Amino acid sequence: DVKVTQSSRYLVKRTGEKVFLECVQDMDHENMFWYRQDPGLGLRLIYFSYDVKMKEKGDIPEGYSVSREKKERFSLILESASTNQTSMYLCASTPLVQGLRETQYFGPGTRLLVL
Amino acid sequence: QQQVKQSPQSLIVQKGGISIINCAYENTAFDYFPWYQQFPGKGPALLIAIRPDVSEKKEGRFTISFNKSAKQFSLHIMDSQPGDSATYFCAANPPPRNTGKLIFGQGTTLQVKP
Repeated sequence: DVKVTQSSRYLVKRTGEKVFLECVQDMDHENMFWYRQDPGLGLRLIYFSYDVKMKEKGDIPEGYSVSREKKERFSLILESASTNQTSMYLCASTPLVQGLRETQYFGPGTRLLVL
Repeated sequence: QQQVKQSPQSLIVQKGGISIINCAYENTAFDYFPWYQQFPGKGPALLIAIRPDVSEKKEGRFTISFNKSAKQFSLHIMDSQPGDSATYFCAANPPPRNTGKLIFGQGTTLQVKP
């Protein structure tokens, strides 16, 4: 059964703190994604990775960085958390696409509150 | 334009009614249009998807209608049930294809009243 897990369901941090959000998938997928979900704005792509140690910026990368040292794990880092980064963060994965349209499998999300 | 515009933002339907959510896009390079369903406290999950070479796809009570010339597609939920209450996202696949990337719409929160 397909599984994407995220390290925390809820997280409360202070402004200026460094925050790590972790995502693990057990499907041997090549591609992994980090989104943030905000009401009225949908899902916006922060970063994605198509291989170990490879990453590309999405639509809203400012204030974020990522790390992918192992195929199954993709971490999102907020270097210095700010209140405007309060949001729901979703991780997803998908296998290498070879002319097909593959499903994205999502984790349950981490709701981050920055005070 | 790498956008998908979704409407309405919220929708209330009586049990047994038809729910309709609309999406529009600009980029004619998109060639895959999935819909994702998200229940509270869960991540989104694929519900149904369509390619632009067909005008309609039906899976149970869920139907996608696709209008290539108008660059619009919509999700119809027939005989809507309280269990359908969720947030729905339309999406499209921007090039290059091998990344698996999707562009999502703004989301529609559907409430089906008993």
